[in-house]
Amino acid sequence: SQQGEEDPQALSIQEGENATMNCSYKTSINNLQWYRQNSGRGLVHLILIRSNEREKHSGRLRVTLDTSKKSSSLLITASRAADTASYFCATDGTSYDKVIFGPGTSLSVIP
Amino acid sequence: GAVVSQHPSWVICKSGTSVKIECRSLDFQATTMFWYRQFPKQSLMLMATSNEGSKATYEQGVEKDKFLINHASLTLSTLTVTSAHPEDSSFYICSARDAADGGEQYFGPGTRLTVT
Repeated sequence: SQQGEEDPQALSIQEGENATMNCSYKTSINNLQWYRQNSGRGLVHLILIRSNEREKHSGRLRVTLDTSKKSSSLLITASRAADTASYFCATDGTSYDKVIFGPGTSLSVIP
Repeated sequence: GAVVSQHPSWVICKSGTSVKIECRSLDFQATTMFWYRQFPKQSLMLMATSNEGSKATYEQGVEKDKFLINHASLTLSTLTVTSAHPEDSSFYICSARDAADGGEQYFGPGTRLTVT
């Protein structure tokens, strides 16, 4: 299975601090995506990073990808209470056949 | 961006009955659609891959006779949970791949199924 793994499983920080979540996967990928999910809601797509990219930014989000280590990180800077959610990485294999999700990180941002 | 809808958004059914969930790609053609299941406080688990006009491919451990998938057109896939039991209560999420958009996958808002 190419399912990603994430750490930490849970993260609690103060508002204004940075939050870093890591994701590892097992096999070669075409791209890796990060999603956010508020409790009981659907997925919100955050960023897609392709296998030939090393870093991507979107607002307060920064994603890195290290294909040699089969890992990615998501950094949320200057966190807000509204960032409280579960964050998942998802990998898309080289044959574009399916997207597999990691176990997720539960982020709590304390006001 | 591409939009995927699901219907219904939530459903309650009695044990032993069947329930159908629809997944539609609204503004693109999806040759491939995927069905995921998510239990509380867990991640999304892929159940099956559905290709238009052919049989679905089920992941290991997913009963194909219990979770019937039909992908009859390029914009619609359905998941039917047959003879539902309380343990089938879950959040079901579909996604659709836009073959014309670099293979990017778009997710529906999910359907919450409660079996009483």
